[in-house]
Amino acid sequence: QVQLVESGGGVVQPGRSLRLSCAASGFIFSNYGMHWVRQAPGKGLEWLAVTWSDESNTYYADSVKGRFTISRDNSQNKLFLQMNSLRAEDTAAYFCARDHGVAYYFDSWGHGTLVTVSS
Amino acid sequence: DIQMTQSPSSLSAFVGDRVTITCRARQDISNYLAWYQQKPGKVPELLIYAASILQSGVPSRFSGSGSGTDFTLTISDLQPEDVATYYCQKYYTAPFTFGPGTKVDIK
Repeated sequence: QVQLVESGGGVVQPGRSLRLSCAASGFIFSNYGMHWVRQAPGKGLEWLAVTWSDESNTYYADSVKGRFTISRDNSQNKLFLQMNSLRAEDTAAYFCARDHGVAYYFDSWGHGTLVTVSS
Repeated sequence: DIQMTQSPSSLSAFVGDRVTITCRARQDISNYLAWYQQKPGKVPELLIYAASILQSGVPSRFSGSGSGTDFTLTISDLQPEDVATYYCQKYYTAPFTFGPGTKVDIK
């Protein structure tokens, strides 16, 4: 079955960088767009970024544009999120999610990795 | 960017009640709307897409309707396992914004 496993979270100081990974299995990774979504503690869901199946297009939320970069390695079935210039308000659980395939909603989610930005 | 709103922000109802949650888009998004259920401490799960199509495996007591700017999620026979926060999400164009959520619990 579809499995998405995030890693790379942790505690980081403001202004520093972190790279998240999402390992995918149980489906043909290269056929699907992939997203990052986050959820601050006790708050709602915030969509962050998408990469198309062939990485030909990426889109970002305004809140992370210019600071975060989504990428993927289809040979390794992995999705990445490079996060630079981190701020306290970036503290959240970060989920990778699979695009349905023909539309930008999410039919499978990982369990998330927690990022805490604090000095 | 197209903003999404939801009402109410929370509700409490009896087991067996019919519950309706409203989601509104500030601009026409046709039927490019999905609904998710997030149970306490769990990952969100897709309930409905294209405003009214039930995802495989979702109980038939869940239904969605609407088009354009106004959408509803209905739970026809509320069950204890439906305690969760429900989010709408528009996918007409990027950014693929979520609504703020509606928390549902049992009286």
